[in-house]
Amino acid sequence: GDSVTQMEGPVTLSEEAFLTINCTYTATGYPSLFWYVQYPGEGLQLLLKATKADDKGSNKGFEATYRKETTSFHLEKGSVQVSDSAVYFCALYPSGGYNKLIFGAGTRLAVHP
Amino acid sequence: EAGVTQSPTHLIKTRGQQATLRCSPISGHTSVYWYQQALGLGLQFLLWYDEGEERNRGNFPPRFSGRQFPNYSSELNVNALELEDSALYLCASSLGGQGPLAQHFGDGTRLSIL
Repeated sequence: GDSVTQMEGPVTLSEEAFLTINCTYTATGYPSLFWYVQYPGEGLQLLLKATKADDKGSNKGFEATYRKETTSFHLEKGSVQVSDSAVYFCALYPSGGYNKLIFGAGTRLAVHP
Repeated sequence: EAGVTQSPTHLIKTRGQQATLRCSPISGHTSVYWYQQALGLGLQFLLWYDEGEERNRGNFPPRFSGRQFPNYSSELNVNALELEDSALYLCASSLGGQGPLAQHFGDGTRLSIL
């Protein structure tokens, strides 16, 4: 079945470091891909999305490119801030739909000054 | 515009009891989704309601059930609570038909089973 695999955390970085959080997926057809962020004590917020191959989603300095050839959607940011500390979830929406998002396990990011 | 609101924020129950969680979607949204975020298990899809009907269900036992009211708010009921039901339960809403491409999440209800 469809699934999402994320790199295990926690990821600990110093402020202004480069961030990569790996995400790969297994799915038939052409799913849509998402990154969500969950700040401490809050629900999920959509960070960015890509709905077709080679699309690049971007928001708040974060970027991810939908790579069908490697079935990946890695999240990157050139210079992280303390305020980026959160849990990041990669998710896919299968091409079959049924309004069911499939999430990865989440990666906790801790950024220190 | 008010976001998705969930109540209560925290709920403490004991094994065997029943829990009721509530969700109010964003005004105009007709679809409501429920997810379970258990420690170490990530987010698991529970239920999807649209226009008062259950449209899809995740791989959860029947003691997880819910309903959607005419005003599109929703309840999630968990019967015969077990320790492993301890989790953060997230509700999301969207305009009907837009699905996950436009889901907005609430802050969740943390259910603790003693």
